[in-house]
Amino acid sequence: ELKVEQNPLFLSMQEGKNYTIYCNYSTTSDRLYWYRQDPGKSLESLFVLLSNGAVKQEGRLMASLDTKARLSTLHITAAVHDLSATYFCAVDITGYALNFGKGTSLLVTP
Amino acid sequence: DAGVIQSPRHEVTEMGQEVTLRCKPISGHNSLFWYRQTMMRGLELLIYFNNNVPIDDSGMPEDRFSAKMPNASFSTLKIQPSEPRDSAVYFCASSLTSGSTELFFGEGSRLTVL
Repeated sequence: ELKVEQNPLFLSMQEGKNYTIYCNYSTTSDRLYWYRQDPGKSLESLFVLLSNGAVKQEGRLMASLDTKARLSTLHITAAVHDLSATYFCAVDITGYALNFGKGTSLLVTP
Repeated sequence: DAGVIQSPRHEVTEMGQEVTLRCKPISGHNSLFWYRQTMMRGLELLIYFNNNVPIDDSGMPEDRFSAKMPNASFSTLKIQPSEPRDSAVYFCASSLTSGSTELFFGEGSRLTVL
């Protein structure tokens, strides 16, 4: 059974600081996705990582994938309040659907 | 494109009642998914359709749940009879089969069963 584990599950950080969210998964896959969810809202696709060593950056967020270690990271640089949300990683092992982690609730404070 | 459209956005019903949730996928997408989100269990895949055919329904919790996709632009998820433990947010998502499995989610239907 595939396990997708994120840590931390809750993160409070000050504006301007850097931090990394980790996503470990238990079964071989070279497709990993990051989503953002604001409270009461839908899930918005952030990054699509489709190969070992893939790195994607958008603004203050950067995601990477190490398929050998079964690890993806989402790095936050100089956090701002607008980044407060829940971030999910999701792994594709079936070729058609995604298995999601429990999510990391991020709160950026002044 | 309008994105994935779900209705209703909110539903409050009493235990034992029938609930029907509706979804219109993004035009041209040939895969459709129903997920359920709860605090305890996170996001769970309930059922997956490809070209309107149910391919994987292993996540459907029990016989009280059923899903249909009569055509490429419409799907329903039905719960009959509903129970309080069915309270959750139900998301519909769609994607193109080819290429990546990036899913595009609707706004969700928040179901409360009293």
